Amino acid sequence: DGGITQSPKYLFRKEGQNVTLSCEQNLNHDAMYWYRQDPGQGLRLIYYSQIVNDFQKGDIAEGYSVSREKKESFPLTVTSAQKNPTAFYLCASSSGTSGEKLFFGSGTQLSVL
Amino acid sequence: AQTVTQSQPEMSVQEAETVTLSCTYDTSENNYYLFWYKQPPSRQMILVIRQEAYKQQNATENRFSVNFQKAAKSFSLKISDSQLGDTAMYFCAFNAGGTSYGKLTFGQGTILTVHP
Repeated sequence: DGGITQSPKYLFRKEGQNVTLSCEQNLNHDAMYWYRQDPGQGLRLIYYSQIVNDFQKGDIAEGYSVSREKKESFPLTVTSAQKNPTAFYLCASSSGTSGEKLFFGSGTQLSVL
Repeated sequence: AQTVTQSQPEMSVQEAETVTLSCTYDTSENNYYLFWYKQPPSRQMILVIRQEAYKQQNATENRFSVNFQKAAKSFSLKISDSQLGDTAMYFCAFNAGGTSYGKLTFGQGTILTVHP
């Protein structure tokens, strides 16, 4: 089945540690996105990528980094510079055309130890 | 920058009744897209309905319909014959069209509880 796979489902970060969240899609989509969701709040855009080897900052990129070396993969690294990383992280993909629906993964819950 | 506002943090409805969730947005764009997404307790984001701003006709999907008022920048979701499975958080989202690609701006969400 085509879809988006995020792993792990739960992740714990120690202070000062970088952690990487995985996102893989087999929908042949050009565009991929990372959103952050805090409890009881909406989703905020962290980074997005329209094409391989290119990505842009979203509204809350500070303390995060991404790469897009393959069309299928868009990993997100939460660096030690992100002082409040506890949140639910959602990866999404789309054809990249304006107005088209986003397909979402099942999310990763990141918590700080 | 676009903003999306959902003024109802929580709503409740009895099974089989109708409920309307509100959403307003602010934009200077003329051609854009609006969405309602549902997030059940599983936290999986599910598209409920999509509206193109240049279409005057309100979108419908089975029991779900929207009231799109472009001049008022209002985009409400009506759920008819509510079912227990409709219990979820509902997000209104905006796409600016043009070169915004697929980027969505989300509202804060409305928690809907359907009671038996």
